[in-house]
Amino acid sequence: GENVEQHPSTLSVQEGDSAVIKCTYSDSASNYFPWYKQELGKRPQLIIDIRSNVGEKKDQRIAVTLNKTAKHFSLHITETQPEDSAVYFCAASIRAAGQNFVFGPGTRLSVLP
Amino acid sequence: DAGVIQSPRHEVTEMGQEVTLRCKPISGHNSLFWYRQTMMRGLELLIYFNNNVPIDDSGMPEDRFSAKMPNASFSTLKIQPSEPRDSAVYFCASSQQGRYNEQFFGPGTRLTVL
Repeated sequence: GENVEQHPSTLSVQEGDSAVIKCTYSDSASNYFPWYKQELGKRPQLIIDIRSNVGEKKDQRIAVTLNKTAKHFSLHITETQPEDSAVYFCAASIRAAGQNFVFGPGTRLSVLP
Repeated sequence: DAGVIQSPRHEVTEMGQEVTLRCKPISGHNSLFWYRQTMMRGLELLIYFNNNVPIDDSGMPEDRFSAKMPNASFSTLKIQPSEPRDSAVYFCASSQQGRYNEQFFGPGTRLTVL
């Protein structure tokens, strides 16, 4: 089955700096890679996703890159702000009816003022 | 749409008691997922349904856990008997078949077993 690893487990950056979180997956059939943000005491919410036919996707300060050959994908947050502080989860999935996600263990990002 | 609805939001019970968690998925979604989140184990998939049929329950920890989805708008996760190690936040999520399957999470149920 699919296995998703995520690094680092914790990350502290100064406000305004960039943050990068990296994930690897094992199943080459995976073709959908969402990223979820979970603020303290709240539910995980999708912030960006990428499909396997795309190498990079950007949405304002957030970008995700995918390397299918190496089976890894990364989340990039630029110009970090205190409200970016949260736990971020990557996931891998096979786009098909009802296929489940396999989540990484999460990265706790702290943006220091 | 109100999003995924879960009840109760908080549950405190004593070891050995039966616990039932409830979930109403987003209308029109036909995949439903139950997750458990703890500090030690992260976000674990317990079971998921497609069109009310259980597809994969390999994540259900043991026979004390059971889940049902009697119709498209309701699912339950039952723990009987409950144990202190079952204390966690339980999330329900739903998605729509046929699309890149973004999962929408409910607010979660925080379960404490004393």
